[in-house]
Amino acid sequence: DIQMTQSPSSLSASVGDRVTITCRASQSISSYLNWYQQKPGKAPKLLIYAASSLQSGVPSRFSGSGSGTDFTLTISSLQPEDFATYYCQQSYSTPSTFGQGTRLEIK
Amino acid sequence: EVQLVQSGAEVKKPGESLKISCKGSGYSFTSYWIGWVRQMPGKGLEWMGIIYPGDSDTRYSPSFQGQVTISADKSISTAYLQWSSLKASDTAMYYCARGGGSSTFDYWGQGTLVTVSS
Repeated sequence: DIQMTQSPSSLSASVGDRVTITCRASQSISSYLNWYQQKPGKAPKLLIYAASSLQSGVPSRFSGSGSGTDFTLTISSLQPEDFATYYCQQSYSTPSTFGQGTRLEIK
Repeated sequence: EVQLVQSGAEVKKPGESLKISCKGSGYSFTSYWIGWVRQMPGKGLEWMGIIYPGDSDTRYSPSFQGQVTISADKSISTAYLQWSSLKASDTAMYYCARGGGSSTFDYWGQGTLVTVSS
């Protein structure tokens, strides 16, 4: 299985901050990388697919980049509703695998 | 509007069997994969497996192969996740999700909480 490692595991930031979350794959996954946001008690929500494509309806302050093994999710200016847990996921091969999550908290 | 509606919460005893469901609407059910994702209490997301209802092609994570069965009834646009003998360690929230491109999950069900306790 391909291992996905996110960093950091948790992060404290303030409204208006620029935040970057990193995801590393244990082998090349081309651009088959997705990012999800999950709020407490809710199902995950797809933010970014194919490493850098913004899912319909997702605010443009979210962006993704990378290819091969190293990827980033950037939130350009944190809003109160962005405090949540973020997961990366590789869809390059079966079984698909998720990162362990990054919990974004209010400073 | 695309919707995935899952069956309600379950409380079971160890050793019992269970089948939970996920009904799709608002799209062509046979044209997209349906995946199942486990989230144990306070933990992250785990990909369990996927099924393509059009031809019932099914793939499992090795971690879940033999432990669960994924199926679908395309006549009623419903996918299923079932256990033949539950364990306490199966206690978790289970989500179904539509695979826009295999395992790129663009729509999710609301989740089914399964609690296994003696």
